[in-house]
Amino acid sequence: EVQLVESGGGLVKPGGSLRLSCAASGFTFSSYSMNWVRQAPGKGLEWVSSISSSSSYIYYADSVKGRFTISRDNAKNSLYLQMNSLRAEDTAVYYCAAPDILTGPYDYWGQGTLVTVSS
Amino acid sequence: EIVMTQSPATLSVSPGERATLSCRASQSVSSNLAWYQQKPGQAPRLLIYGASTRATGIPARFSGSGSGTEFTLTISSLQSEDFAVYYCQQYNNWPLYTFGQGTKLEIK
Repeated sequence: EVQLVESGGGLVKPGGSLRLSCAASGFTFSSYSMNWVRQAPGKGLEWVSSISSSSSYIYYADSVKGRFTISRDNAKNSLYLQMNSLRAEDTAVYYCAAPDILTGPYDYWGQGTLVTVSS
Repeated sequence: EIVMTQSPATLSVSPGERATLSCRASQSVSSNLAWYQQKPGQAPRLLIYGASTRATGIPARFSGSGSGTEFTLTISSLQSEDFAVYYCQQYNNWPLYTFGQGTKLEIK
């Protein structure tokens, strides 16, 4: 069974940093692209960042470009999101998500981790 | 960026009745369209991909149709567990996928 488990969320002050992790199991992690999607309280879903299986291709939404860094460790079956210069508008539940095929929709989702940016 | 627009924002339907949700893309996404269901406090769940193919374990009362820019999700006979928020997502250009703003399906 595919499992994605996020961790690392919490309360942080504006301008602060946080590192999210996503532990994957039940599939060959190193063969799949991985993604971060966020959802602000009471709002819809927003794609944040994606990384290809070998980390050769990395993409970011304009809203986080230059502040967030996605990475992965295939040996540890883990995905990361380093978030710097956090703003109030970054407050959201952050999900890691995986497709069954590279260019497909997100078949698998974690339970999410809440990031709150507030003074 | 491809903008996805869902309508209506809220849909009130009685249990046992049919629900029809719409999704429009600002440019053609071919059949690269997915639908997700999200219940409070839960992650989204994939329902439909390829505009009309049900994901594993999804009941047959869920069906999707459309291609290009116009798409529809139909739930043929609403069960109590179907009341939730539904999102469409285009995945035509990896990885720049975009979601619609969601349709809340509520009990009438």
